[in-house]
Amino acid sequence: QSALTQPPSASGSPGQSVTISCTGTSSDVGGYNYVSWYQQHPGKAPKLMIYEVSKRPSGVPDRFSGSKSGNMASLTVSGLQAEDEADYYCNSYAGSNNLVFGGGTKLTVL
Amino acid sequence: QLQLQESGPGLVKPSETLSLTCAVSGGPISSSSYYWGWIRQPPGKGLEWIGSIYYSGSAYYNPSLKSRVTISVDTSKNQFSLKLSSVTAADTAVYYCARPLKMATILGDFYYWGQGTLVTVSS
Repeated sequence: QSALTQPPSASGSPGQSVTISCTGTSSDVGGYNYVSWYQQHPGKAPKLMIYEVSKRPSGVPDRFSGSKSGNMASLTVSGLQAEDEADYYCNSYAGSNNLVFGGGTKLTVL
Repeated sequence: QLQLQESGPGLVKPSETLSLTCAVSGGPISSSSYYWGWIRQPPGKGLEWIGSIYYSGSAYYNPSLKSRVTISVDTSKNQFSLKLSSVTAADTAVYYCARPLKMATILGDFYYWGQGTLVTVSS
């Protein structure tokens, strides 16, 4: 299985919106509505931000939203704040009780 | 509040077996219908799912690691464990244990995480 494809980096100024893509295949992202997104600050464990494409766990600001079209999922961060600067990872269910992660995107708040 | 804590040797020799344990506190593994998972992250690189195990012992593994991985659960100690055999330098990583948000599924929605433990493979 291959890792999902994410851009290595993304950036935006405070208050702006930024979208991070996660591209897979019809065997993972395109085949199931089970895409999750994680935020990871340096030296910390990942934090679940989005699950099942667009659902937010309790406590996650509504500035974070997820969507999917075909084999590509997206995470949008609106109203960028300094604390949003982190690495972001997507993952997807890939069938047969198998999971695949993306390579990660470093988000910089300018 | 559920807490997970990884433990095990921080240094393993090439060709040997890496063994880690995840101790769960704040709730019994045996009464909760979750798949408990292991995820790893090589230094400076991305996340990789290793595998997940149900409280009853049913386990599923990443196909790329399946031949070398065994995950087990010990409900009497409220912990689950990872064994990775024939390790090489490529297995050097921070290893995390985690529990998903939803019961009885392996969907990638890991909500509770341990702090992670660095395992270095070197002679």
